[in-house]
Amino acid sequence: SQELEQSPQSLIVQEGKNLTINCTSSKTLYGLYWYKQKYGEGLIFLMMLQKGGEEKSHEKITAKLDEKKQQSSLHITASQPSHAGIYLCGAAVSGYSTLTFGKGTMLLVSP
Amino acid sequence: SAVISQKPSRDICQRGTSLTIQCQVDSQVTMMFWYRQQPGQSLTLIATANQGSEATYESGFVIDKFPISRPNLTFSTLTVSNMSPEDSSIYLCSVEDWTGISYEQYFGPGTRLTVT
Repeated sequence: SQELEQSPQSLIVQEGKNLTINCTSSKTLYGLYWYKQKYGEGLIFLMMLQKGGEEKSHEKITAKLDEKKQQSSLHITASQPSHAGIYLCGAAVSGYSTLTFGKGTMLLVSP
Repeated sequence: SAVISQKPSRDICQRGTSLTIQCQVDSQVTMMFWYRQQPGQSLTLIATANQGSEATYESGFVIDKFPISRPNLTFSTLTVSNMSPEDSSIYLCSVEDWTGISYEQYFGPGTRLTVT
């Protein structure tokens, strides 16, 4: 079965600082999703990456998928309190639509 | 992107009872999914629900405990039957939506269930 390892598990950064969250797969990724979740709420879709070397950006958040399609990173530039939450990576399993999720990275942004 | 709503948003239920969660999408979608997120844990897929066919359950989940309906392309329900405190979780539905370029998955706001 596919497993996703996220690091770090939690992160506290000062407002304005940059940060990176990593997601590593034990198998080749057919599609890698990044979501943000506020505590106790649903998942907000951020980005989906499919191609090796692909990079996407939305506002101050950039996600990359490495060439081998086994690792993705999520980078936030100039963090703000609104970026706080749990970031989850999810991977399409063997080309099917069902997703396997990492355990999440909790981000806190201090003023 | 597809907009998904869920009802109820939260509920507190007594053990032994059942709760039906509704998921409504603002567009027609082929594939809908139900996930569970137990306290402090990540998401686990319960089942895939395609319109016109029986739901496909993941290992560890059975139809008697989590019956699912998918009467049309915009709606699905998940019932949590004979609840116990271990069923306390956030239940989320998701859909796969074609953007014109690729398929993407979107999630509803979740239903927070507490079983006492």
